[in-house]
Amino acid sequence: GAVVSQHPSRVICKSGTSVKIECRSLDFQATTMFWYRQFPKQSLMLMATSNEGSKATYEQGVEKDKFLINHASLTLSTLTVTSAHPEDSSFYICSAREGGRAYEQYFGPGTRLTVT
Amino acid sequence: GQSLEQPSEVTAVEGAIVQINCTYQTSGFYGLSWYQQHDGGAPTFLSYNGLDGLEETGRFSSFLSRSDSYGYLLLQELQMKDSASYFCAVRGAQAGTALIFGKGTTLSVSS
Repeated sequence: GAVVSQHPSRVICKSGTSVKIECRSLDFQATTMFWYRQFPKQSLMLMATSNEGSKATYEQGVEKDKFLINHASLTLSTLTVTSAHPEDSSFYICSAREGGRAYEQYFGPGTRLTVT
Repeated sequence: GQSLEQPSEVTAVEGAIVQINCTYQTSGFYGLSWYQQHDGGAPTFLSYNGLDGLEETGRFSSFLSRSDSYGYLLLQELQMKDSASYFCAVRGAQAGTALIFGKGTTLSVSS
């Protein structure tokens, strides 16, 4: 089946630094990738949608200059949290959809970000 | 936009049957999905209903009524390992857009 990986699984960074999270589709080509954020005991909130080779579309309220998304290939998307602050501490989950299979969405294992 | 309503918490005992309801409002509808998430883990796909009716997958079943904008997840023969959060989700306004999740239902199964 379709597998999505994320790296790192956990990261701790200091306030003001930047951290990059990678999302890879291992056995399929992901024309579209989604990034979600989940705070404790809350739901998954869609942050942005990225299509390979084009700029990401951000949801309302998500700062595109703070959360940089790059979808440079059909198997890799990255989320960079710039100038991280403690309130950015969250569980970040990527999801990918295979081209031509519009109704299936596969989730990565998530990245736990802690900003100190 | 999209909005989904589901109960915040449900408790049950091992062996019991639990139904988690979900009502939704969407500007376009491309099916209702259900996901399970254990603490600290990623959501895992449980079931999908694109058409009205019941879908059965082992101990889990899901139902959809498009005319009522309503669906439910039915969990039978509950086990302790079923303690988790359950989310209903719909696709965005256009086909191929991202899943939008409900707020989740925390299921606690006791012995």
